Amino acid sequence: GQNIDQPTEMTATEGAIVQINCTYQTSGFNGLFWYQQHAGEAPTFLSYNVLDGLEEKGRFSSFLSRSKGYSYLLLKELQMKDSASYLCAVLDSNYQLIWGAGTKLIIKP
Amino acid sequence: DTAVSQTPKYLVTQMGNDKSIKCEQNLGHDTMYWYKQDSKKFLKIMFSYNNKELIINETVPNRFSPKSPDKAHLNLHINSLELGDSAVYFCASSQDGSGVTDTQYFGPGTRLTVL
Repeated sequence: GQNIDQPTEMTATEGAIVQINCTYQTSGFNGLFWYQQHAGEAPTFLSYNVLDGLEEKGRFSSFLSRSKGYSYLLLKELQMKDSASYLCAVLDSNYQLIWGAGTKLIIKP
Repeated sequence: DTAVSQTPKYLVTQMGNDKSIKCEQNLGHDTMYWYKQDSKKFLKIMFSYNNKELIINETVPNRFSPKSPDKAHLNLHINSLELGDSAVYFCASSQDGSGVTDTQYFGPGTRLTVL
């Protein structure tokens, strides 16, 4: 079966750095997405990785290792507005997006 | 100038009723989707549809049916509503449903409550 694992919840301090991990087992791989979802709102796109390595975009970076079936989202200089759920999703061989359950990130002052 | 819009935002109804949720995208995308997000916040794909193919998640009851009058619209019709249908339903669209351009843009969601 297809499976995407992420921690259910994480807590971090304002101004700090946090890494949210995602491991996946899917039938094929055509890329991995990270989405952010604030409570009561729709998911919004953060990043897309299809090649191994680190993609940096401002305070957010996303890393992919295809051989390990592993990705992480790195958030730097955390702000209170970063409190949200972070969803990992993998595009499988049929170009279907398989979603993780999301990681709820709580930022404390 | 909202990219993906859904109506209504909230829907409260009785068990057994039939209801529809509308979705429109003005991005010129070819593929649209319906997701269900339950109380555990897990997004589950229900349907994906472009002008060529409808892909149905086999776990979706046949009480749910997508209807697409044109490329910019994908409405969700639900027959004989049940208590377990209560959830937030998200519509989304992507450029062509494959590859790099498959970034999905989500509508604001419709919170359905079945009493």
